[in-house]
Amino acid sequence: GAVVSQHPSWVICKSGTSVKIECRSLDFQATTMFWYRQFPKQSLMLMATSNEGSKATYEQGVEKDKFLINHASLTLSTLTVTSAHPEDSSFYICSARDVTVNTEAFFGQGTRLTVV
Amino acid sequence: AQTVTQSQPEMSVQEAETVTLSCTYDTSESDYYLFWYKQPPSRQMILVIRQEAYKQQNATENRFSVNFQKAAKSFSLKISDSQLGDAAMYFCAYRSENEKLTFGTGTRLTIIP
Repeated sequence: GAVVSQHPSWVICKSGTSVKIECRSLDFQATTMFWYRQFPKQSLMLMATSNEGSKATYEQGVEKDKFLINHASLTLSTLTVTSAHPEDSSFYICSARDVTVNTEAFFGQGTRLTVV
Repeated sequence: AQTVTQSQPEMSVQEAETVTLSCTYDTSESDYYLFWYKQPPSRQMILVIRQEAYKQQNATENRFSVNFQKAAKSFSLKISDSQLGDAAMYFCAYRSENEKLTFGTGTRLTIIP
């Protein structure tokens, strides 16, 4: 199946700093990518839908100024957690789908963010 | 909004036996997709099986099969000949017409050797 690469796999940052997470579709073009957050022992919650060349669409309750999403190309979307706080510590996962082919979404390996 | 319910937080099965994981959903849409994803300890989401709502035939993938009951909005996963490598969290997911995935709360499957 298609490959989605997410980087970094884990990151530790200090409170107040910003962290950028990258999501790349390696062998297909993804006009749409999705960002999820997963708390320990819980399900995946959709944060936002990232559309290439346009603004992201955020789910209710997700602060768009805190979680900046950029989808500058058909193979790359980035999530930047700005002014991170310990409560932002979580597992973040992206997914992408090749809409030209009716397939399922493929997921990145996830990023574990710890804010200290 | 769509909702996905997995009523079994945990399940266990003897190796080589069969286990069924339950999933129900609620929607007003007529055309949608349903998925089962596996999340092992590595936390990589792996697609197990998918079902198109317009298809009456239940999807199968080797040892994995589903029982899709559209009228009842039920989508259960059957794992036959369970193997140790099947141990993971299993998430049922609904994909709506706007491409968004809604996940259930998951079922942790343990395989007993």
